[in-house]
Amino acid sequence: QKEVEQNSGPLSVPEGAIASLNCTYSDRVSQSFFWYRQYSGKSPELIMSIYSNGDKEDGRFTAQLNKASQYVSLLIRDSQPSDSATYLCAVKPAGGTSYGKLTFGQGTILTVHP
Amino acid sequence: DGGITQSPKYLFRKEGQNVTLSCEQNLNHDAMYWYRQDPGQGLRLIYYSQIVNDFQKGDIAEGYSVSREKKESFPLTVTSAQKNPTAFYLCASSPWEHDYEQFFGPGTRLTVL
Repeated sequence: QKEVEQNSGPLSVPEGAIASLNCTYSDRVSQSFFWYRQYSGKSPELIMSIYSNGDKEDGRFTAQLNKASQYVSLLIRDSQPSDSATYLCAVKPAGGTSYGKLTFGQGTILTVHP
Repeated sequence: DGGITQSPKYLFRKEGQNVTLSCEQNLNHDAMYWYRQDPGQGLRLIYYSQIVNDFQKGDIAEGYSVSREKKESFPLTVTSAQKNPTAFYLCASSPWEHDYEQFFGPGTRLTVL
């Protein structure tokens, strides 16, 4: 089993719809969870972080975390063509030796069509 | 402008050659990282450094080497021992207190001919 697994893509949604991106992780003691966005041929950029169970909203983006189910998701409301990118889920394990050691999922390609 | 620069953007290497990828940051970040990305895959950590003159192996360090002689610079050498070096290489940095908030450079695409 992969340590961090994302729903297989590509995911295609119409403009204005809600895009739902999912991620599961295997290390039960993981504490911190992140979503990075990567445009084609470019480098990733951090767009959301979440540490506690529940929802965290930032503009059109909502991150959801369920530690009991080892599940984190990203919802994008009112999707725009500019949201078309690869979304990477990243997990930071707990513990003092985990400094900087993010584990990334394989990414989900999102396409928002007009 | 503050940021991370990587050079070159594209690099072609013959089998058996060592190559060095440059990474420089002027964000005054303590920590720096090297990742490798293959098509359809996420990022895999090669090496990371928390402070000058210190670095640790990541998940896929075999066939790679690094140095951290200056805070601003963290070059990566891809040696001939790396069996499948063709990939997109990304350098990142983060402040000490927020190691998860990693800022990435534009990347170097290495192709072995």
